[in-house]
Amino acid sequence: KAGVTQTPRYLIKTRGQQVTLSCSPISGHRSVSWYQQTPGQGLQFLFEYFSETQRNKGNFPGRFSGRQFSNSRSEMNVSTLELGDSALYLCASSLGAGPDGYTFGSGTRLTVV
Amino acid sequence: AQSVTQLGSHVSVSEGALVLLRCNYSSSVPPYLFWYVQYPNQGLQLLLKYTTGATLVKGINGFEAEFKKSETSFHLTKPSAHMSDAAEYFCAVSRGNQAGTALIFGKGTTLSVSS
Repeated sequence: KAGVTQTPRYLIKTRGQQVTLSCSPISGHRSVSWYQQTPGQGLQFLFEYFSETQRNKGNFPGRFSGRQFSNSRSEMNVSTLELGDSALYLCASSLGAGPDGYTFGSGTRLTVV
Repeated sequence: AQSVTQLGSHVSVSEGALVLLRCNYSSSVPPYLFWYVQYPNQGLQLLLKYTTGATLVKGINGFEAEFKKSETSFHLTKPSAHMSDAAEYFCAVSRGNQAGTALIFGKGTTLSVSS
């Protein structure tokens, strides 16, 4: 079966712009979570969505937002990009809520210049 | 609050040698514990997990880990390293599996394997 698909794989944006990243979960999975990975801060939790509802949010500024659609696909948006937003953004899907059963996508590499 | 400490940001072993990657956690509730592997430019792949029950957990590719509550540890081992094991390894903890529960990751350990 198809895995978790994240698009695009690579993205270059300029400071001040906004960006939208997409995550298509494994078919039948209802939960999608997002994590940011940077060399300095490591892997940090951004949000969790389950059945279109945000269940949890990490300690990130309001510039980071997300949503989940009725088909479980999720998007995250970062507005007013800063250089420090350069990171690998990973999406994980699971059948039910919670991290047990996560399958991660390959990530979107965002570079802000 | 929960936290994870991975001792040693870089571990080097020879092919065929024992692999030991150390992970200590802090949790005020019974933890769920995970080990993930990440290859360059890829996402995270689950190696193994402890939720409840047997404390010695076997995973993929010959890896195993033992949950030791008294030592708050969950070290990852493999008897004989292969070149293909070279990657970055992450230990993670969660407060169970209910909605709203996230993974807390350690900083990672890069494993190098030499021939």
